[in-house]
Amino acid sequence: DAGVTQSPTHLIKTRGQQVTLRCSPISGHKSVSWYQQVLGQGPQFIFQYYEKEERGRGNFPDRFSARQFPNYSSELNVNALLLGDSALYLCASSITMGQGIDEQFFGPGTRLTVL
Amino acid sequence: AQSVTQLGSHVSVSEGALVLLRCNYSSSVPPYLFWYVQYPNQGLQLLLKYTSAATLVKGINGFEAEFKKSETSFHLTKPSAHMSDAAEYFCAVSDRPSSNTGKLIFGQGTTLQVKP
Repeated sequence: DAGVTQSPTHLIKTRGQQVTLRCSPISGHKSVSWYQQVLGQGPQFIFQYYEKEERGRGNFPDRFSARQFPNYSSELNVNALLLGDSALYLCASSITMGQGIDEQFFGPGTRLTVL
Repeated sequence: AQSVTQLGSHVSVSEGALVLLRCNYSSSVPPYLFWYVQYPNQGLQLLLKYTSAATLVKGINGFEAEFKKSETSFHLTKPSAHMSDAAEYFCAVSDRPSSNTGKLIFGQGTTLQVKP
């Protein structure tokens, strides 16, 4: 079975631009979460979507937005990019909302570099 | 609020030696705790999790962790290190009950180096 897939693998943008990252969850998983992992740090929670609705949001500015589609895939959008947005963006899927019980399966991530 | 602290950002062991990676947690409720491993240029893989069942949790690749409430610890161990264990290890706690989601709060990570 295919795991969580993310695209693109790498991305280079300049300050002020906008970026869209994509995630396809494991088949049958209805929840997608997004995390930002800055170099040398642990992942930080950005969003969780379940059944196409936002169920949780981390401490990130409104420049960050996301959505989940009827097929449960998801997009993360970041507007007005800053140098500090350079990071590995991880997507994780789970069968339900999780709440710590369901295992969350992580994708390989998208490496975003902002110049 | 829930949090985890990983003691030691870098741990170096010889192949065949005991691996001990330390994690302490803070939680207002019985916590759900996790250990993840991240190999270079890859995502996170779950090693093991504690969800209030047995206090000694066995995971994949020979790793195990013991939940000690009195010490608020969840240290990860492996009796004999293998070269393939070299990676970044993250301890995490579920954000329940602060948020009714699957949000995980991660520690800063510990880089495990295995020397031949």
